[in-house]
Amino acid sequence: DAGVIQSPRHEVTEMGQEVTLRCKPISGHDYLFWYRQTMMRGLELLIYFNNNVPIDDSGMPEDRFSAKMPNASFSTLKIQPSEPRDSAVYFCASSLGGRGEQFFGPGTRLTVL
Amino acid sequence: DQQVKQNSPSLSVQEGRISILNCDYTNSMFDYFLWYKKYPAEGPTFLISISSIKDKNEDGRFTVFLNKSAKHLSLHIVPSQPGDSAVYFCAAVSNTGNQFYFGTGTSLTVIP
Repeated sequence: DAGVIQSPRHEVTEMGQEVTLRCKPISGHDYLFWYRQTMMRGLELLIYFNNNVPIDDSGMPEDRFSAKMPNASFSTLKIQPSEPRDSAVYFCASSLGGRGEQFFGPGTRLTVL
Repeated sequence: DQQVKQNSPSLSVQEGRISILNCDYTNSMFDYFLWYKKYPAEGPTFLISISSIKDKNEDGRFTVFLNKSAKHLSLHIVPSQPGDSAVYFCAAVSNTGNQFYFGTGTSLTVIP
C-alpha cells in the first residue's frame, strides 16, 4: 500500500486566496483525521470522519475552514479566504478503528503571504 | 486548553544512554495512550502504545510507563541511538473513543 497520500506537498499563496488540501487515506481505513502542526500547539486535531461522516469538527478554528469526505478514498480541507496565520503544516491521517494507530501522510506545508 | 502536555520542548542525550520523554494529561477519561515519532519533512509514525489497564509496555528498546494516579506517562529509550533523533509526540484517546489529543512534542537529539 502506498500509505496516506497528501497533495500538494507545498503550497504558497497570497492572503485572501482559497486553498484546497487533498488526502487519500489507506484503503480499508474507516477513520480519517486532519491535523495542523504549529510550534505553540503541537499537533492540533481539526476534524475527523468515520465512514465518510464528519464526527467532530470542534477543532476547526473558524468558518473559513471546511472539510469534506465525498467517498472513502478522498478528503479535502479548504481554507477560504486564507490568512497568514493559517501558515502551518497540515497532516492527514487514517486508521482502522478510532482507537487504532493512525497512519499519517507526509503533510502539506502551507505558506500564506 | 492543552489536555496533553509535553513540558520539555527539547532533550539531548549521549548515544548509548537512556532517553526519558515525559507527558502529562489532565482528562481522566483518557484510557489509551500512544507515542509517535516524527522526522523532519515526514508525517509522524506510530511507535508504541499503552492501555490504562497496564502500567508498562515494552517493545525492544522502547518502554512506555503509565502512572494513572499522577496522570503521567513516560517513554524510555535504552540505549539511545543517533537514529532516534526526532520529535516525539504523545497522544491520548478517550474511553469513548471519540476524543483524540496530541501533545506539543519533544525534540530528542542523540549525540554520537
